[in-house]
Amino acid sequence: SQQGEEDPQALSIQEGENATMNCSYKTSINNLQWYRQNSGRGLVHLILIRSNEREKHSGRLRVTLDTSKKSSSLLITASRAADTASYFCATDANTGNQFYFGTGTSLTVIP
Amino acid sequence: GAVVSQHPSRVICKSGTSVKIECRSLDFQATTMFWYRQFPKQSLMLMATSNEGSKATYEQGVEKDKFLINHASLTLSTLTVTSAHPEDSSFYICSARDGTRGYTFGSGTRLTVV
Repeated sequence: SQQGEEDPQALSIQEGENATMNCSYKTSINNLQWYRQNSGRGLVHLILIRSNEREKHSGRLRVTLDTSKKSSSLLITASRAADTASYFCATDANTGNQFYFGTGTSLTVIP
Repeated sequence: GAVVSQHPSRVICKSGTSVKIECRSLDFQATTMFWYRQFPKQSLMLMATSNEGSKATYEQGVEKDKFLINHASLTLSTLTVTSAHPEDSSFYICSARDGTRGYTFGSGTRLTVV
């Protein structure tokens, strides 16, 4: 399968709590990116982490990357109801041009 | 920043007809564009890689005769769903690779085949 795996598939938390999503992938990569998608809409790019980076921050987002384990995590701190969406990791493999998405995590933040 | 325009955003067609979806890079040239399909509550599945001036590369299990891809210029790729059937109803998203800024996605096309 071309896809990486994400867990959990679905996550429901209270507003103000932190949300953590994990992504595992299969091939060596140039970088890994996280995207957000509201229901039935296009993708919003959140953050990119390169293969030689281990952690990156952007506002309330924190991404880690462990290339030895082929895994990444996305942490959203102090969640808000507006963070409710599906979140996907995507990998830019260093062989070929292809860009593959993980299976996604559906996040629901309860006000 | 890099912008990719995808058109139409929504289309309804009758079973057996063909539908063309356009993907344009507005402010950069894209030698490579990608087409994805997304079924409800599922992830995006890469269908094919569109290469300017050459044949598209299709992922395993994607019928090249059903999903025709043309990438005739550095700013335009088209996906034609031929002889569409209800099971082809899906959300189709294109993306283009800008060498300096990575991947930029179109806003998607929701296809409904009735």
